[in-house]
Amino acid sequence: QVQLQESGPGLVKASQTLSLTCTVSGGSISSGSYYWNWIRQPAGKGLEWVGRIYTSGSTNYNPSLKSRVTISVDTSKNQFSLNLSSVTAADTAVYYCARGVGAARHFDYWGQGTLVTVSS
Amino acid sequence: SYELTQPPSVSVSPGQTASITCSGDKLGDKYASWYQQKPGQSPVLVLYEDTKRPSGIPERFSGSNSGSTATLTISGTQAVDEADYYCQAWDSSTGVFGGGTKLTVL
Repeated sequence: QVQLQESGPGLVKASQTLSLTCTVSGGSISSGSYYWNWIRQPAGKGLEWVGRIYTSGSTNYNPSLKSRVTISVDTSKNQFSLNLSSVTAADTAVYYCARGVGAARHFDYWGQGTLVTVSS
Repeated sequence: SYELTQPPSVSVSPGQTASITCSGDKLGDKYASWYQQKPGQSPVLVLYEDTKRPSGIPERFSGSNSGSTATLTISGTQAVDEADYYCQAWDSSTGVFGGGTKLTVL
């Protein structure tokens, strides 16, 4: 059973960089045709796709965040990471990592989510 | 940018059929996925590739996708189905979610 677990600081100061890691267990992050995604959800609002990294290392980002987002993978640790620079209060959200798979690239496994608050 | 539009809320009586729509330009040419989210929990995949149910998802969940509208249908709705539902599709290499629909089982 694949499991994903987000980790990282719960509080980040405005203008700084938000950094989160997703640890994958129950399977190798580099096996299979999977996309590894970050998705966020501000309190009381809907889901927003942030970006993804493929097992080959190629990335895609939400155009609205592209200038500030970097997603990377560390296969030796079975982890992938999110860096979001120059954060503002609008970046305060629960951040989820999720595995994407199949023709629809649907998200079949999700982490429990981690709340990141941006303070002024 | 590509957008998916859902009704903010849908109400249904227990045992009745609930339908939640998701509209987007030529959405029928893409695959739609649907996610259920209960308060304080992570989203759960309930449908993928328009009509397919993951293991463990009850048969009362079904879907369709044609033209510009994808529809999630819950037959014989139960109180446990009360949740927020999100549709999702890909516009080229960009993931897009609908705004979500709160399903209330009255």
